[in-house]
Amino acid sequence: EAGVAQSPRYKIIEKRQSVAFWCNPISGHATLYWYQQILGQGPKLLIQFQNNGVVDDSQLPKDRFSAERLKGVDSTLKIQPAKLEDSAVYLCASSLDRTTDTQYFGPGTRLTVL
Amino acid sequence: GQQLNQSPQSMFIQEGEDVSMNCTSSSIFNTWLWYKQDPGEGPVLLIALYKAGELTSNGRLTAQFGITRKDSFLNISASIPSDVGIYFCAGQASNTGKLIFGQGTTLQVKP
Repeated sequence: EAGVAQSPRYKIIEKRQSVAFWCNPISGHATLYWYQQILGQGPKLLIQFQNNGVVDDSQLPKDRFSAERLKGVDSTLKIQPAKLEDSAVYLCASSLDRTTDTQYFGPGTRLTVL
Repeated sequence: GQQLNQSPQSMFIQEGEDVSMNCTSSSIFNTWLWYKQDPGEGPVLLIALYKAGELTSNGRLTAQFGITRKDSFLNISASIPSDVGIYFCAGQASNTGKLIFGQGTTLQVKP
């Protein structure tokens, strides 16, 4: 079974530029999560989707971050404009449903903002 | 907001030694999880705990869910070089599945 796919794996941009990350969850997984992991810290949830609806986006900086999952499968996370403090690894995870304990994580996208 | 305090922050041990790390929370969780993260990869689930007082093993790993539901520990016995990595505890909200992660314990094993 294929795991969670993310692209790109690495991205370097200058501050105030825009960037987008893509995630393809495990087939059949209804719940999709985006986490931000700053160096030396544990992942922090940014947004959670159940199919194509948002369950929790309380920690998403909505003035610059946006995410969508239009068809309830793939998802994109966008940052516009980027700030230096956005440098982090952005992890996508999926699970069968939101009460299932096992969240399967992708390899992440490492973003560096200069 | 909810916070998990994980300790120690890092450990450097000799191959064959046992390792113990723990996690405490200011909030109650109904599920505790332990993950391992290798460089350049996402976290991988090691052990899940669902009941207060539960003690669960997975090979050389043993984890316990504290009675108060505010803490958990992970033990690794007879460590080997491939145990190197960052170990995270996580508490899970039962209504949404949202994970709250600790800061991680970096483990290095000297052959």
